[in-house]
Amino acid sequence: GAGVSQTPSNKVTEKGKYVELRCDPISGHTALYWYRQSLGQGPEFLIYFQGTGAADDSGLPNDRFFAVRPEGSVSTLKIQRTERGDSAVYLCASSSRLAGSYNEQFFGPGTRLTVL
Amino acid sequence: DQQVKQNSPSLSVQEGRISILNCDYTNSMFDYFLWYKKYPAEGPTFLISISSIKDKNEDGRFTVFLNKSAKHLSLHIVPSQPGDSAVYFCAALIQGAQKLVFGQGTRLTINP
Repeated sequence: GAGVSQTPSNKVTEKGKYVELRCDPISGHTALYWYRQSLGQGPEFLIYFQGTGAADDSGLPNDRFFAVRPEGSVSTLKIQRTERGDSAVYLCASSSRLAGSYNEQFFGPGTRLTVL
Repeated sequence: DQQVKQNSPSLSVQEGRISILNCDYTNSMFDYFLWYKKYPAEGPTFLISISSIKDKNEDGRFTVFLNKSAKHLSLHIVPSQPGDSAVYFCAALIQGAQKLVFGQGTRLTINP
């Protein structure tokens, strides 16, 4: 079956612009995660959705970052007033959530964001 | 504050030999640990995991060892194959928290 897909695969923007990154999770997966991977680092957690609501947004670095998942499927990560330090690969993952256990997170290929 | 650390950025191993990748953590609340493998231009893929109630988990050529007193885990791959060449990430989580905390990664190169 289809895995997690992310669009665009690459995004180049100028400092100060607004960008939206899209994630399509695996069909039926109720949990969705966003991570950010900077050069030479491991992925860093940004936000986790269970259904339509953000269950944990403790990783969002500041109020320029916002994410939505209005229908409990597709999610959009929105970055306002982009800065050069926002340049990274943004990874999305999804999982089928069962209470009280860990469920494997399946990752998409990521969106490489470059802020000039 | 790096809670999960992989101190070796790279490792080179001869095909057929054992590859050992190491990972240290600082947060004693972590109770589940995972290894992910990543090829270029792809997302990380799950490889193997271990719960804190165990000290070893084996799956084919892959074995993960956990030493809770030392807050250390390792991934053993034997025998190593060229297709194992990738970046390996160690990750940890607190059960119920769902967010993975990753190390910096180790690039493994298997030489023919």
